[in-house]
Amino acid sequence: DVKVTQSSRYLVKRTGEKVFLECVQDMDHENMFWYRQDPGLGLRLIYFSYDVKMKEKGDIPEGYSVSREKKERFSLILESASTNQTSMYLCASSWRGRGSNQPQHFGDGTRLSIL
Amino acid sequence: AQKVTQAQTEISVVEKEDVTLDCVYETRDTTYYLFWYKQPPSGELVFLIRRNSFDEQNEISGRYSWNFQKSTSSFNFTITASQVVDSAVYFCALRAVWGGTSYGKLTFGQGTILTVHP
Repeated sequence: DVKVTQSSRYLVKRTGEKVFLECVQDMDHENMFWYRQDPGLGLRLIYFSYDVKMKEKGDIPEGYSVSREKKERFSLILESASTNQTSMYLCASSWRGRGSNQPQHFGDGTRLSIL
Repeated sequence: AQKVTQAQTEISVVEKEDVTLDCVYETRDTTYYLFWYKQPPSGELVFLIRRNSFDEQNEISGRYSWNFQKSTSSFNFTITASQVVDSAVYFCALRAVWGGTSYGKLTFGQGTILTVHP
């Protein structure tokens, strides 16, 4: 089975802090994704990556950056956390291909609170 | 631009009732894939089904069935004889294959919270 592991289930940080959310997958997937989930808004794509060191903006990249130095690891960075970034963050991975029909496999999520 | 609409925010049923979750999508692409995911209280999204745009056959898997109608841009999900373990948030999602800024991205609906009471 595919395993996508997010480093923390719950995280509490302060406004202005630099926050790192880590995601690791064990299936050698080329594609990795970061979403945030908010009530009534569903999942919204923040950033995604099709290969090591490659990244592309999703629908809501403002205030975030990402890093993919190794194939299995995709990090989401909040450069200066703000209260409106309090949310559930979900990482996903899938096989290669921009047009791939392969499903994305998700981690358990990180519930991040910014105080 | 792509859009997925799940008009039902919350549904509450009693065990053994049948329930249908609606999903309507918009895309200008001619080739696309539709997905359903389940998110139980544990938080992890679980993949349920994928359907491509050129295959309109309906599918049944145990108590689950999916009705894809291209003419109405709908991909509805029915649970027959619901059980308490079906309680979860269900997401419909769309991925276009070609073209524009939607190239390769997955667009999710807002989600439907299903509660099945014993």
